[in-house]
Amino acid sequence: DAKTTQPPSMDCAEGRAANLPCNHSTISGNEYVYWYRQIHSQGPQYIIHGLKNNETNEMASLIITEDRKSSTLILPHATLRDTAVYYCIVRLDDKIIFGKGTRLHILP
Amino acid sequence: DAGVIQSPRHEVTEMGQEVTLRCKPISGHDYLFWYRQTMMRGLELLIYFNNNVPIDDSGMPEDRFSAKMPNASFSTLKIQPSEPRDSAVYFCASSFGGAGTEAFFGQGTRLTVV
Repeated sequence: DAKTTQPPSMDCAEGRAANLPCNHSTISGNEYVYWYRQIHSQGPQYIIHGLKNNETNEMASLIITEDRKSSTLILPHATLRDTAVYYCIVRLDDKIIFGKGTRLHILP
Repeated sequence: DAGVIQSPRHEVTEMGQEVTLRCKPISGHDYLFWYRQTMMRGLELLIYFNNNVPIDDSGMPEDRFSAKMPNASFSTLKIQPSEPRDSAVYFCASSFGGAGTEAFFGQGTRLTVV
């Protein structure tokens, strides 16, 4: 079972930062937080992952709270192409278990 | 690299027929995952391999489903006999390493069983 809780949907205005929250209150010390997204009809796409520290790459930033019980994915300047379902995943071993995710709508 | 390659992209078959889905992982990757996606159940992990060996097949729905990985560059997911409820999009993914690494997904095979 997925160990994360995400809002089912969110809206964000184009050009603004999209902040997607995720709760993982039962996370253990050596479990990673991963984010993937799935654009309609395509395979899931890796975005970013982290263990304890905040992470940033060319796509997004990942902010993990100090107690690691929650995290936020930040898309700094959302575009219409960022419309997708975003999955927050807690990963301990080799398996990647998807929950229901957040459907992000970017509004023009 | 061309990424994870799945074939066919679309498959329509009649109930009772055997269906074989194929996956070519990214060269050098040692993990391979098979997923199924439906509207009702979302993305489900069916089985995964490490170094061509099945590690966890607890997600395989029933004995009609089988998966093999004869070598590091090829895997198959077979359904025999197929049923209408098997209609779904099937994804294959591969990674170099397990936890702490990123997995890359193929474009999926859309299976329709009529």
